[in-house]
Amino acid sequence: KQEVTQIPAALSVPEGENLVLNCSFTDSAIYNLQWFRQDPGKGLTSLLLIQSSQREQTSGRLNASLDKSSGRSTLYIAASQPGDSATYLCAVINGDGGGADGLTFGKGTHLIIQP
Amino acid sequence: NAGVMQNPRHLVRRRGQEARLRCSPMKGHSHVYWYRQLPEEGLKFMVYLQKENIIDESGMPKERFSAEFPKEGPSILRIQQVVRGDSAAYFCASEGARSYGYTFGSGTRLTVV
Repeated sequence: KQEVTQIPAALSVPEGENLVLNCSFTDSAIYNLQWFRQDPGKGLTSLLLIQSSQREQTSGRLNASLDKSSGRSTLYIAASQPGDSATYLCAVINGDGGGADGLTFGKGTHLIIQP
Repeated sequence: NAGVMQNPRHLVRRRGQEARLRCSPMKGHSHVYWYRQLPEEGLKFMVYLQKENIIDESGMPKERFSAEFPKEGPSILRIQQVVRGDSAAYFCASEGARSYGYTFGSGTRLTVV
């Protein structure tokens, strides 16, 4: 059974710092990995999607990497801003993508950027 | 494209009542997934549906919960005889092709009093 772990559970840093959020998964046979952002009381916003054949994806100040063999992904946020404060969720899709596999989520990293 | 639409945003039910949660996927998406987020817990998969078919309901509680995605209209997650432990945020996601990932709705927050 796939398990996804996110470290740290919570993080508070001053504005302007670069930071790294970590995600690990137990079964390396994933189809893809998706990072989401969730604001309090809101839904999930997709940030980056990495296919299993890819090593990284970038969008603006965000960079996500994937090391499938070691079961790890990182989300790098450059020059953090107070608006980046949210819970960041890592999720994987298992298998070859052709079956009825849903996403397996980590519990998230609660990020606070201090002005 | 209005994205994935869920309604209502908030729902309050008394114990024993029925709760109906609706989800309209993104235009062109034929795959719908329901997830539940309990307080202080991660999101848990409940059910995967395509039009008129339940593909995988391995995450659904065995009793009181059911889901459908009819040929016309939104997907419905139905909870009968709600109990306080059903209080949670219920999210719907739709998917067009695996290579593009999931798009989530804003969720329905169910409170059972």
